[in-house]
Amino acid sequence: GENVEQHPSTLSVQEGDSAVIKCTYSDSASNYFPWYKQELGKGPQLIIDIRSNVGEKKDQRIAVTLNKTAKHFSLHITETQPEDSAVYFCAASIRYGGATNKLIFGTGTLLAVQP
Amino acid sequence: GAVVSQHPSRVICKSGTSVKIECRSLDFQATTMFWYRQFPKQSLMLMATSNEGSKATYEQGVEKDKFLINHASLTLSTLTVTSAHPEDSSFYICSAGGRDNQPQHFGDGTRLSIL
Repeated sequence: GENVEQHPSTLSVQEGDSAVIKCTYSDSASNYFPWYKQELGKGPQLIIDIRSNVGEKKDQRIAVTLNKTAKHFSLHITETQPEDSAVYFCAASIRYGGATNKLIFGTGTLLAVQP
Repeated sequence: GAVVSQHPSRVICKSGTSVKIECRSLDFQATTMFWYRQFPKQSLMLMATSNEGSKATYEQGVEKDKFLINHASLTLSTLTVTSAHPEDSSFYICSAGGRDNQPQHFGDGTRLSIL
C-alpha cells in the first residue's frame, strides 16, 4: 500500500526566512497531493494542493513542487511569519472503491517561526 | 472555502458510556465523509470512509461494532463510540469531500476523554 514519508519532523526558522518540507510517496498511481496546516487543538486546514499533471503550483508565499519520477513533493514557505507556526502534513491520494479517494498522511512537521 | 462542522468539540465521560460525534458539511453535499483518529503528536489515521446511503468502509484493524458510522444524509455523518473505555480517548476528526480527487475539508475535531 501507499506509504508517505515526511521530513523534517521539526523545523525552526527565523522570521522572514524560508521553510521547506519534503515528502516522498511509494505508490506511483497516486495523483493528488494536498498539504494541510494544523494548529493546536484544531482540525487540519488545506493550504495548497497539486495534481500529478502539474510540476509546480504557487499561492502567494506558499508553493508546492512535484517530481513524479522521483516520487517527491515539497512545500515551500517564503517570508515566514510567526503565524505560520503550526504542524504541517503532506498527503498522497490513492483511489479505492470507484470514484472515492483516500488520503495517506505523512508524519507531520512542527514548524516554529522565531520572531 | 468549504466548511465542515463537527460537534461536540470536547467530551469527557465515564467508562462504558457511548458517545456520538456529528460531522456536517455546511455548504456542499458530501456523498463521502471520512473519520480519522489522531493521537498526541502523531499523524492522522483513517478509521473509516462513510458513504451516504450505504455501509461504511472500515480500515484494517478498526472494529466496526465499536465505532458505528451512519451517513443518512448528504450533509451529516455520525460516529458513535460504543461502550467507550480509556483507551478510546483520542482526538477524532471528520472530513468531507475527496470524491473524484476533490479536496478533503476537515472539521475542528472532537477531543474524547474517557475516565
